[in-house]
This record gives sequence, C-alpha cells and structure tokens, in this order.
Amino acid sequence: DTAVSQTPKYLVTQMGNDKSIKCEQNLGHDTMYWYKQDSKKFLKIMFSYNNKELIINETVPNRFSPKSPDKAHLNLHINSLELGDSAVYFCASSQAQTSTDTQYFGPGTRLTVL
Amino acid sequence: AQTVTQSQPEMSVQEAETVTLSCTYDTSENNYYLFWYKQPPSRQMILVIRQEAYKQQNATENRFSVNFQKAAKSFSLKISDSQLGDTAMYFCAFMNRDDKIIFGKGTRLHILP
Repeated sequence: DTAVSQTPKYLVTQMGNDKSIKCEQNLGHDTMYWYKQDSKKFLKIMFSYNNKELIINETVPNRFSPKSPDKAHLNLHINSLELGDSAVYFCASSQAQTSTDTQYFGPGTRLTVL
Repeated sequence: AQTVTQSQPEMSVQEAETVTLSCTYDTSENNYYLFWYKQPPSRQMILVIRQEAYKQQNATENRFSVNFQKAAKSFSLKISDSQLGDTAMYFCAFMNRDDKIIFGKGTRLHILP
C-alpha cells in the first residue's frame, strides 16, 4: 500500500490556468507538508498543516492555497499559473509536527506550465 | 521497484570528528541521480550534494563527500571535521530519468560538543 500518494503524477497546463494537486496519506499521521523542487533540485518547504491547521507558511505567492479537508489529505491549489511555477511538488507527512518525527515523502508531481 | 535504505536511524559523534552516513538503493536503471539532503528542525530541505550515476568520480562539496559504489548500489555521505551546525536529519534520495524521486527514511545526526 502506498503510504503517501499524489495525483496527478504529471500535469501540463497553460499559463493563467488554475490547477490542483492532491495528496493523501494512509499512515494516520497528523502533519502534512508541501515542498517545491526546482530545476537545480533544491527542495523548499512551502506549507505545513497539523490536524487540518496551517502551522508553516513560507513565503510563497498567495496564488498558492493549500486545503486540508481532513488530516489525511492536503491539497495544493494554484491560481493563475506562471512559467516559474514549473517544478516538481512533493507532499510529505509525519506523525506530529515536532522536528524529530520522520517524514514520509510522496512520489512527486511534475508540473509544467507552458 | 526502486528503493532507498538508510540503515542508521540515528547517530552521534563528537565535534570535529568524521562521520559516515550509509545509504543503499535498488534499481535496474543505469542512469540516475543520487542526492543527500540536510533537514534542520525548520523542516526546510537543503541540498548537500548530488551525484550522477554515469560519473565515476565521487562528488565533493567542502567538508561533504560521497563514496559512490555503483556496482554495490551504495552512496554513503562522509562529513569531515563535523560541526555543531551539522546536527540535522539527513535524507538520501534517488531520482530516475523520469524525475521520479524516492527518499530514504532519514538518519538523525547529532554532533556533540
């Protein structure tokens, strides 16, 4: 069984569109995260939710809006897509928000904005 | 299926010592990338070092170097002259040609004063 899953795996879209990436974890974890990996493979944290509440919100454009309908899901909605949004987005989860809890990463979603 | 294994969940060393973090992976592919990421308590991920599988020479970044053994599918990270700021979680990661990345479960490293 996949622990952390993301859909879709690949997403190709036009500039200006609105799109969503979904993340689900079946580990019973309380905390979920979104990371963005750029072309140089740097991985930056974007958001973190604990029990559906936002706890980390790094400096990202407000076109990015995370939504957590329940603690097993953390979706990422992106409005008015720009070329610079092209990247691989990773979802992750951990048991709690303490830094000692191991994170489990999803397989990533490659977003390409044309 | 591709897998990444970090067999050391936690390690501790004295400041200024050298420490090696192990990582093994399994793949049937010939061309791929390997990474080590450092994660401080902020949960940010910092790219420490990367290695392309077609390159025989081991990658080096200042005090960080890798021992890449392609035949053995081993990719260990050596930290020389360890510093207190090196204390963090370290993730080994494998990426194939389709940009699918797989992370190990991490090794928590403590540098003791």
